[in-house]
Amino acid sequence: AQSVTQPDIHITVSEGASLELRCNYSYGATPYLFWYVQSPGQGLQLLLKYFSGDTLVQGIKGFEAEFKRSQSSFNLRKPSVHWSDAAEYFCAVVGGSNYKLTFGKGTLLTVNP
Amino acid sequence: DGGITQSPKYLFRKEGQNVTLSCEQNLNHDAMYWYRQDPGQGLRLIYYSQIVNDFQKGDIAEGYSVSREKKESFPLTVTSAQKNPTAFYLCASKQGPLDGYTFGSGTRLTVV
Repeated sequence: AQSVTQPDIHITVSEGASLELRCNYSYGATPYLFWYVQSPGQGLQLLLKYFSGDTLVQGIKGFEAEFKRSQSSFNLRKPSVHWSDAAEYFCAVVGGSNYKLTFGKGTLLTVNP
Repeated sequence: DGGITQSPKYLFRKEGQNVTLSCEQNLNHDAMYWYRQDPGQGLRLIYYSQIVNDFQKGDIAEGYSVSREKKESFPLTVTSAQKNPTAFYLCASKQGPLDGYTFGSGTRLTVV
């Protein structure tokens, strides 16, 4: 069965600093990977997804993620964080016979002014 | 605009009562999902449905029930058998097998 690990429960960065959120997956076949963002009390919004091809994918809000098969990772990055990026971020992988999404436990991002 | 509507946003329930959470989508998506979210535990799958009149248990189905009589609607009933029902519940849908999910804005259920 597929699984996702987000090693960092909580990350704090200063506004304007760069950001990298880590995600490691476990899946036997070609993974289909997603990053979502959730503001407090809201649903999840899709930031970006990776299916195949170029291993660096661009998403909304200036985010990008790089797929590294050798490291089983799909880390999310942003060159310069804005205060509005404070939220919880979830990595997910789809797989199995029913193509369900399996989510990591999330990383809470705090942005200091 | 197409999307998923969950209602109500906040719900209070007395112990021993059943309560139904609504989820409606106008995206014409085939598959729909219910997740439960608790602090520090991420999203856990309760039930999912890939087509009308069919649904499957997820990882934590005990104490919950669903129906899928219409493509647009996938209500979740939290029964009195659910021991810890206080949580944030999220409904989602998707069209194709490899598509990302579209989420509703959630219902926060509190048992008082």
